[in-house]
Amino acid sequence: GAGVSQSPSNKVTEKGKDVELRCDPISGHTALYWYRQSLGQGLEFLIYFQGNSAPDKSGLPSDRFSAERTGGSVSTLTIQRTQQEDSAVYLCASSLDSPYTEAFFGQGTRLTVV
Amino acid sequence: SQQGEEDPQALSIQEGENATMNCSYKTSINNLQWYRQNSGRGLVHLILIRSNEREKHSGRLRVTLDTSKKSSSLLITASRAADTASYFCATDAGDMRFGAGTRLTVKP
Repeated sequence: GAGVSQSPSNKVTEKGKDVELRCDPISGHTALYWYRQSLGQGLEFLIYFQGNSAPDKSGLPSDRFSAERTGGSVSTLTIQRTQQEDSAVYLCASSLDSPYTEAFFGQGTRLTVV
Repeated sequence: SQQGEEDPQALSIQEGENATMNCSYKTSINNLQWYRQNSGRGLVHLILIRSNEREKHSGRLRVTLDTSKKSSSLLITASRAADTASYFCATDAGDMRFGAGTRLTVKP
């Protein structure tokens, strides 16, 4: 596709359920980032992929959060046993494998845990 | 964890005035980028400045970088109501970390 695609756009789930969020990066982009943004706040770094490997998982808030990337393309962020504090917009971005290129963002998934 | 810290948190100006936002960071970086966000969804890239550059221009945008002070500033000249948005700096040291942002309101 032409841009970064995230699905679903919105997700309402019950507390305790597992959710999967998907990110389709721009074709050819080897770097992929996940962020979380609560209302009116900044972007909280979650995880960064270079190809299929994640050099930095330090931002994942707890062991309920996991992420994988397959084929150097699609990534999924999984949240197990969701809690109300997990409610936020989850943003994905991708960029070329260079420190001197811009990142392109998807429109995010708004997760609401009720 | 966040890397950059923007200042001020919020800024309100009249159309035609200039807006200056600042960003401070903590570690060595490859580059620093500024992004804009409307209505809390996807961010749009504005400008990138490399660690060996001191100033960069793009249209009405001017960015400076002082690596000795670990700080950057974004100047928007002749602001317009359409510039109303949140502005974030992002530091790239292998990964990409964002600050808390500056909420800019430009009044017509």
